[in-house]
Amino acid sequence: KAGVTQTPRYLIKTRGQQVTLSCSPISGHRSVSWYQQTPGQGLQFLFEYFSETQRNKGNFPGRFSGRQFSNSRSEMNVSTLELGDSALYLCASSTGTGSPYEQYFGPGTRLTVT
Amino acid sequence: GQNIDQPTEMTATEGAIVQINCTYQTSGFNGLFWYQQHAGEAPTFLSYNVLDGLEEKGRFSSFLSRSKGYSYLLLKELQMKDSASYLCAVRDRRRGGGNKLTFGTGTQLKVEL
Repeated sequence: KAGVTQTPRYLIKTRGQQVTLSCSPISGHRSVSWYQQTPGQGLQFLFEYFSETQRNKGNFPGRFSGRQFSNSRSEMNVSTLELGDSALYLCASSTGTGSPYEQYFGPGTRLTVT
Repeated sequence: GQNIDQPTEMTATEGAIVQINCTYQTSGFNGLFWYQQHAGEAPTFLSYNVLDGLEEKGRFSSFLSRSKGYSYLLLKELQMKDSASYLCAVRDRRRGGGNKLTFGTGTQLKVEL
């Protein structure tokens, strides 16, 4: 069974630009969650999508948005990039139902904003 | 919201036992997870507790006390490959269900000879 894939793996952008990251979950998984990981803040929850609907949302500004497609693939978009957005962005997939909702993480996209 | 505390760093000897503690304050609790993350890699799932008590899985065990807002991860027969960051995460109880995990900042474990 293929794992969670994320593209691209590395990205360099400049302030003010926007970026789109992609996540393909494990086959059969309907839930995709996105996290931002930085050395200072650790892993912080951005949002979760389940069956093409945003089911949960963290405390990030509206510049961070996402969507999920009918095949469960998900994208997240960050507009008007700031230096502080430099981070590892991880997505995690799970079945989204039942318990314990074990999440499987992808390798992440390393975003550097200059 | 959630507040999660765990030690920043720990050092232990190969073959020994180490206990990594995690305390949390929550407005709604629906389970506690432990993840392992090696440098430069994605977190991998270790354990899940939703009821009080001990869950054992090979060399790894996790304990939960909901009344005390406390959990620990116990690693036995430490190996060098266990050197990693260990993340404690709490899931919110939310009406819509789903996964909203709040992570601690992680405990960096170093295993020495």
